[in-house]
Amino acid sequence: NAGVTQTPKFQVLKTGQSMTLQCAQDMNHEYMSWYRQDPGMGLRLIHYSVGAGITDQGEVPNGYNVSRSTTEDFPLRLLSAAPSQTSVYFCASRMGLAGNEQFFGPGTRLTVL
Amino acid sequence: AQSVTQLDSQVPVFEEAPVELRCNYSSSVSVYLFWYVQYPNQGLQLLLKYLSGSTLVKGINGFEAEFNKSQTSFHLRKPSVHISDTAEYFCAVSDRTNFGNEKLTFGTGTRLTIIP
Repeated sequence: NAGVTQTPKFQVLKTGQSMTLQCAQDMNHEYMSWYRQDPGMGLRLIHYSVGAGITDQGEVPNGYNVSRSTTEDFPLRLLSAAPSQTSVYFCASRMGLAGNEQFFGPGTRLTVL
Repeated sequence: AQSVTQLDSQVPVFEEAPVELRCNYSSSVSVYLFWYVQYPNQGLQLLLKYLSGSTLVKGINGFEAEFNKSQTSFHLRKPSVHISDTAEYFCAVSDRTNFGNEKLTFGTGTRLTIIP
């Protein structure tokens, strides 16, 4: 049981490049989400999904796209990277309702030059 | 809309001393409350949560928190800290009435440093 996995762990991009951050979970959780963590700002929700085929925007969605074709996977796409997207990105999942624990992946540290 | 305020960005504490990390929240509806811990270069893990019932909640590693509805607070406490408690601690709130679309809102975090 691997829990929540994220790849890559580190990534350096040039401004304007695109890339996909991968997230997978093997716990059959319906709810998945992406956060970014910046110094002094805590974790901010980018996008989330309550099940396969259903996604919605969080607090800071601009510049990011998501899709959820399977229960297990929830990739995050940066269409045209900008220096303001330099951050640490965390994927999380939980079973069902809000009172349940969210399980976090180890994070992806992204630098955009 | 809900929000979380963690009043202290950094808290230094001597080993074996008690600690309290403060958290206040704002919401127009009833909420679930959480404390998560992030050890260096790791993801977050759940320390404890308040859903309903007793306002004193016990979590892992000897931590506890008390929900105070009148003061809209959920402060985290430990009677005696250890070096291994050095980490960043996040308070979080979730609207319990928006069924099926609940979002978790985090505070900005408190960095706890234990001084030997």
